[in-house]
Amino acid sequence: DAGVTQSPTHLIKTRGQQVTLRCSPKSGHDTVSWYQQALGQGPQFIFQYYEEEERQRGNFPDRFSGHQFPNYSSELNVNALLLGDSALYLCASSPLGKEGTEAFFGQGTRLTVV
Amino acid sequence: QKEVEQNSGPLSVPEGAIASLNCTYSDRVSQSFFWYRQYSGKSPELIMSIYSNGDKEDGRFTAQLNKASQYVSLLIRDSQPSDSATYLCAVNPNDYKLSFGAGTTVTVRA
Repeated sequence: DAGVTQSPTHLIKTRGQQVTLRCSPKSGHDTVSWYQQALGQGPQFIFQYYEEEERQRGNFPDRFSGHQFPNYSSELNVNALLLGDSALYLCASSPLGKEGTEAFFGQGTRLTVV
Repeated sequence: QKEVEQNSGPLSVPEGAIASLNCTYSDRVSQSFFWYRQYSGKSPELIMSIYSNGDKEDGRFTAQLNKASQYVSLLIRDSQPSDSATYLCAVNPNDYKLSFGAGTTVTVRA
């Protein structure tokens, strides 16, 4: 049983560009959450998707957007990249209502903005 | 005030000793509390969850919760070099997200 898979694992982009990160949830999970982890910090909640809708959003600008597909996979899009967007982006999947107890994290995508 | 605060590290302990990690949280309605371990360059891994006041033991790990003081702790007994990692305290303030502290880096000296 594959766990949460994210792609790509590493990415280098230039300021002002746009990026798309992808996440496939663990089998049986229908809820996908995205987190940003800057170096030396804990993960910060970006948003969560369930039934192809954004359920809740953290304190991130509109440059951060997402999408969930009918197969529960998800994308995170970031427009107009800033140097400060450099971070590890984590996807976590869970069954609905189990975001804490049964949340599984993917290996992350390391984004570097130059 | 940050939602979740952890004691600043890094924490260095000799092999076989007890590592003690502390965490406080600000949202009194939080009901679920977690400790994650994160090895360098890897994703967080859940190692302990606790929901009611008191102690919860799992192998060499003991989590302690005091909701009145809004305090959570993690003890690692008989610390091993493989315990060297960053430990993240997380709180589930609602049904949607986890709020994480900045983490405490633990180094176990052989």
